[in-house]
Amino acid sequence: GDSVTQMEGPVTLSEEAFLTINCTYTATGYPSLFWYVQYPGEGLQLLLKATKADDKGSNKGFEATYRKETTSFHLEKGSVQVSDSAVYFCALSKVQFYFGTGTSLTVIP
Amino acid sequence: GAVVSQHPSRVICKSGTSVKIECRSLDFQATTMFWYRQFPKKSLMLMATSNEGSKATYEQGVEKDKFLINHASLTLSTLTVTSAHPEDSSFYICSATDGGSYSNQPQHFGDGTRLSIL
Repeated sequence: GDSVTQMEGPVTLSEEAFLTINCTYTATGYPSLFWYVQYPGEGLQLLLKATKADDKGSNKGFEATYRKETTSFHLEKGSVQVSDSAVYFCALSKVQFYFGTGTSLTVIP
Repeated sequence: GAVVSQHPSRVICKSGTSVKIECRSLDFQATTMFWYRQFPKKSLMLMATSNEGSKATYEQGVEKDKFLINHASLTLSTLTVTSAHPEDSSFYICSATDGGSYSNQPQHFGDGTRLSIL
């Protein structure tokens, strides 16, 4: 069945470091792919999305490219800030939403 | 745009109490709303999908008599945890989409409700 596999956390980085959070998916057809962010005690916020192969989603310095050949949608940011500390969820949508297990990111000054 | 409001944000109550959580789409009509449960340091577990004006579709293992869902209008869905017990303590999150359950449109999430049963 459809599923999302996300790299295990937690991830701890120094401010201004480069971030990559890996996400791969299993699905037939052409799902849409999303990254959501959850700050402590809050719900999920849509960070970015891509709806077809080779699309690049971007927002707030984060980017992810829909790679159909590798079934991946890795999240990247060139220079993280303390305010980026949160849990990040990769998700795919076809018939319904499927979420990854989440990756906790802590950025230290 | 696409704001979802969830209320209350936190509830603490005694065992045996029934608790109602509201989920409202503020600036769009939500044809479909979803209810999730999130355990500490875990991903979201889909509990049920509700479409306006029809019965909710529950995921396997979720007790429909325990978790009552009503989606009476295009902007409001409610989750009632009946006769809550300590094991029902959790973080409950709703989401809404205006694209129907078979759409690739993003889901928009409420801020969640922290339910603590004493």
